[in-house]
Amino acid sequence: QQQVKQSPQSLIVQKGGIPIINCAYENTAFDYFPWYQQFPGKGPALLIAIRPDVSEKKEGRFTISFNKSAKQFSLHIMDSQPGDSATYFCAASHTGGFKTIFGAGTRLFVKA
Amino acid sequence: ETGVTQTPRHLVMGMTNKKSLKCEQHLGHNAMYWYKQSAKKPLELMFVYSLEERVENNSVPSRFSPECPNSSHLFLHLHTLQPEDSALYLCASSQDYGHGGELFFGEGSRLTVL
Repeated sequence: QQQVKQSPQSLIVQKGGIPIINCAYENTAFDYFPWYQQFPGKGPALLIAIRPDVSEKKEGRFTISFNKSAKQFSLHIMDSQPGDSATYFCAASHTGGFKTIFGAGTRLFVKA
Repeated sequence: ETGVTQTPRHLVMGMTNKKSLKCEQHLGHNAMYWYKQSAKKPLELMFVYSLEERVENNSVPSRFSPECPNSSHLFLHLHTLQPEDSALYLCASSQDYGHGGELFFGEGSRLTVL
């Protein structure tokens, strides 16, 4: 119930491609779904987040799609660049709580 | 200094040593966290402090001992660790206890236990 399942584990795309990372959750009490980006040697940084009252959120080249009935959400990176090469983590939490449940991460490599 | 800073960045210790990790946040946040990051595994929450009070000890072995002297500083005291404790230890903060999803992480302390 507390798991967040993330796929794929790794992803290689050409520059300009649109990598898609998928996550699924089980606990319907979750109401906040952030994505974190982590570069080698750095800590994770909050990239974009969504609440279940909307089906899509866009910030720059990053878009979250959210399917409440399927309990799934995904990250799309438009016009991907080599500088986007990093590990991406999806997560889930609920407002008022301190626990954030993380997915296992997706290592993205964007070829120049 | 801005954000969340952690020291040391790298630490190698024997199984009988005692060492400490330090974290400082400059964001005015009221909640601080220790997470463990191991390869190909989800981040594991270890401890949570809200206004210097521990609110969560996520079944962490007693060889890890946290300390939060004020809302800006967090320590993780380490003693008699095992090789499987080798990992990246991340400190994070959030505005308050109820915003645990919006975390600001430090760069981590890479721990190797020999």
